[in-house]
Amino acid sequence: EIVLTQSPGTLSLSPGERATLSCRASQSISSTYLTWYQQKPGQAPRRLIYAAVSRATGIPDRFSGSGSGTDFTLTISRLEPEDFAVYYCQQYVGSSMTFGQGTRLDI
Amino acid sequence: EVQLVESGGGLVQPGGSLRLSCAASGFRIDSYWMNWVRQAPGKEPERVANINPDGGDKNYVDSVEGRFTISRDTAKNSLYLQMNSLRAEDTAVYYCARRNDLDVWGLGTMVAVSS
Repeated sequence: EIVLTQSPGTLSLSPGERATLSCRASQSISSTYLTWYQQKPGQAPRRLIYAAVSRATGIPDRFSGSGSGTDFTLTISRLEPEDFAVYYCQQYVGSSMTFGQGTRLDI
Repeated sequence: EVQLVESGGGLVQPGGSLRLSCAASGFRIDSYWMNWVRQAPGKEPERVANINPDGGDKNYVDSVEGRFTISRDTAKNSLYLQMNSLRAEDTAVYYCARRNDLDVWGLGTMVAVSS
């Protein structure tokens, strides 16, 4: 099973600042199968970035994804108040699907 | 509009059973991989089971293998999860989601296993 490790666990920033979230895989995965989600309290996760770098429909361009192999990054260029949430990375390879433990983005 | 609506959750005693349903609208479930994903309080999501577009390939997380069964009714455009021999650790919000990159999620249904 591929383990995804996200860092940091909690990131405390202010609106207008830049956020950089990391997701490291225990073995190399194809970028095609790396996805990022945002989750706010009481809501289902929402897909932000798929195939490591592609923004989902309706996602603002301040969100961007990068990386390959075992190291992937979600960047939020200028934080808006609504961006404070928990972020998860996820991979799916063959019959396996796993999530990282999440990064909480706090004001 | 593409939408998923789960139902069937509730409080059940350990060893009991529940059947979750997920009604899809705006697309056909037999055109996509479909997933059941659960999330225990304060934890990351966990994919419980999925089924491929032709219904011939089903996958389960090890912890539910032999206890849970994923199925679908294409005429009703609905996905199901039959959960037997429920345990306290199955307590979670259960979501259905489309595709393996989980592009569409339902609102979820809560399952609580407790005596």
